Amino acid sequence: SQQGEEDPQALSIQEGENATMNCSYKTSINNLQWYRQNSGRGLVHLILIRSNEREKHSGRLRVTLDTSKKSSSLLITASRAADTASYFCATDLGGSYIPTFGRGTSLIVHP
Amino acid sequence: DAGVIQSPRHEVTEMGQEVTLRCKPISGHNSLFWYRQTMMRGLELLIYFNNNVPIDDSGMPEDRFSAKMPNASFSTLKIQPSEPRDSAVYFCASSFEGGGETQYFGPGTRLLVL
Repeated sequence: SQQGEEDPQALSIQEGENATMNCSYKTSINNLQWYRQNSGRGLVHLILIRSNEREKHSGRLRVTLDTSKKSSSLLITASRAADTASYFCATDLGGSYIPTFGRGTSLIVHP
Repeated sequence: DAGVIQSPRHEVTEMGQEVTLRCKPISGHNSLFWYRQTMMRGLELLIYFNNNVPIDDSGMPEDRFSAKMPNASFSTLKIQPSEPRDSAVYFCASSFEGGGETQYFGPGTRLLVL
């Protein structure tokens, strides 16, 4: 079974709006990562957040981690058409460092 | 650095043929991963190497699939014989130390088995 599951499966917004995607997982983790995949391309790493961290920022990206709820969120502020992609969370299975990816959230940003 | 290199980028073959996918990880990375991505199953980890040694191959579908890493700069994923259900995009990724750290993905090989 997949460790991380993203929600929603699909998200459609207008340029300039914020986009929020969530990831839930089932067991303890050492860290959680978010990746982006443009159509026809490989995944690109966005942010890694460790289990002892609660929030990280990178440019227009903000990631939060709530280990008590076993969930994480990725916020993209002031979205752009170029942000259109699928976004995946990846978690390690608590100590194994074997990554498990969710099904992803498909984000469409309309210009 | 050129990033993770995969070849071929596209492969079309007939059922029963042998398929070999190739990967060159980023220099200095000691972990290598093979993934398969389909619409139905999403992104699946097939096998994970650390320091050229297979650590976890529990994701390899069946005996038709095999993977090798003869040295730190090269890995292959072989399917013999291939079947239509093997059609997918196969990604190779590498990282500096394990799957818990940032993984760098190659562009993928799009495989179609007729």
